[in-house]
Amino acid sequence: GENVEQHPSTLSVQEGDSAVIKCTYSDSASNYFPWYKQELGKRPQLIIDIRSNVGEKKDQRIAVTLNKTAKHFSLHITETQPEDSAVYFCAASLGGTSYGKLTFGQGTILTVHP
Amino acid sequence: DGGITQSPKYLFRKEGQNVTLSCEQNLNHDAMYWYRQDPGQGLRLIYYSQIVNDFQKGDIAEGYSVSREKKESFPLTVTSAQKNPTAFYLCASKPGGYGYTFGSGTRLTVV
Repeated sequence: GENVEQHPSTLSVQEGDSAVIKCTYSDSASNYFPWYKQELGKRPQLIIDIRSNVGEKKDQRIAVTLNKTAKHFSLHITETQPEDSAVYFCAASLGGTSYGKLTFGQGTILTVHP
Repeated sequence: DGGITQSPKYLFRKEGQNVTLSCEQNLNHDAMYWYRQDPGQGLRLIYYSQIVNDFQKGDIAEGYSVSREKKESFPLTVTSAQKNPTAFYLCASKPGGYGYTFGSGTRLTVV
């Protein structure tokens, strides 16, 4: 089955700096890679996703890059703000059908210091 | 809650008891999933169902059971065989395309 590895497990940055979280996946059939932000005791919230037919996607301060050959994808947050502090999860799935199931990375605790 | 409702929000289980967590969706999604989250950890897949009357074990199915008698409903039973059930349980659903919708979760505590 799919295995997703996520690094780092914790990340501390100063407000205004950039933050990068990296994930690798094992199953070359995976074609959908979402990123979730989770606050304590809440459900994961989708912040950005990417499909395997593109290499990069941006949404304001957030971007995701995908390298299919290396089975590697990354989340980039620029101009970080204290409200970006949360746990971030990457995930991989077979999308486009009812047969996909999300496999999550272990999570990254991001702390943005004012 | 965005079309997928989990209840109860908090649940307390005594040793040896079975308890059932409810998950209902009105999104007409075919696939539904149950995940377990332990403190400081990622989400691990317990069971999933891609169609009514069919379901498959995930990575940590031991001590759990599910049913899928209706498209809208995917209840999870935590049996007495699950020795360490204290965790946050999340239900999710997915259409035939992309994108998953999560419920707000049930926090289960053994007392």
